[in-house]
Amino acid sequence: QQQVKQSPQSLIVQKGGISIINCAYENTAFDYFPWYQQFPGKGPALLIAIRPDVSEKKEGRFTISFNKSAKQFSLHIMDSQPGDSATYFCAASTTNFGNEKLTFGTGTRLTIIP
Amino acid sequence: DARVTQTPRDKVTEMGQEVTMRCQPILGHNTVFWYRQTMMQGLELLAYFRNRAPLDDSGMPKDRFSAEMPDATLATLKIQPSEPRDSAVYFCASGLSHFAGSGADTQYFGPGTRLTVL
Repeated sequence: QQQVKQSPQSLIVQKGGISIINCAYENTAFDYFPWYQQFPGKGPALLIAIRPDVSEKKEGRFTISFNKSAKQFSLHIMDSQPGDSATYFCAASTTNFGNEKLTFGTGTRLTIIP
Repeated sequence: DARVTQTPRDKVTEMGQEVTMRCQPILGHNTVFWYRQTMMQGLELLAYFRNRAPLDDSGMPKDRFSAEMPDATLATLKIQPSEPRDSAVYFCASGLSHFAGSGADTQYFGPGTRLTVL
């Protein structure tokens, strides 16, 4: 019930291309869906997040698409750049007080090649 | 530039030794999380605190792990005795619960403590 499944495990995209990472969840009580970006030797950092009252959120080159009925959400990185090479984690939680534990996906290692 | 700090950044120890990791959350944040990251298990929540009180430590092996918040500016994670399977990167994160009845959403992670138990 608490799982968040993420795919692919690794992804290689050419510079300028679109990177797409997908996640699916089981628990319908989840109401907050962030994406975290992690560079080697660093802690994860929040990249973008969405709540289920909207189907899409865009911040610069990063877009989350959310499909509540399918219980799926995805991260799209437009015009991918070598600096985007990192590991990306989707996550889900509820924002109910005392129950806001993040459940993370297994991560996607993204490599952008010139 | 407010950030979560963790010490030490790297720790190498021998099996059976006590290990203490420290975290200073962002000033004003009232929620502190401890995570462990390994290649096999990914990011796992060990425990978390709200206003210094433990809310959930179900992810933590109770026989050897303990987590505390002696004050609002310090969280500690202790392993005693340590075992090779505890080798991992341990992250602290902090967040703010904006109003009563609401959990913390955005979590700000520290740089982690890389623990190696020989």
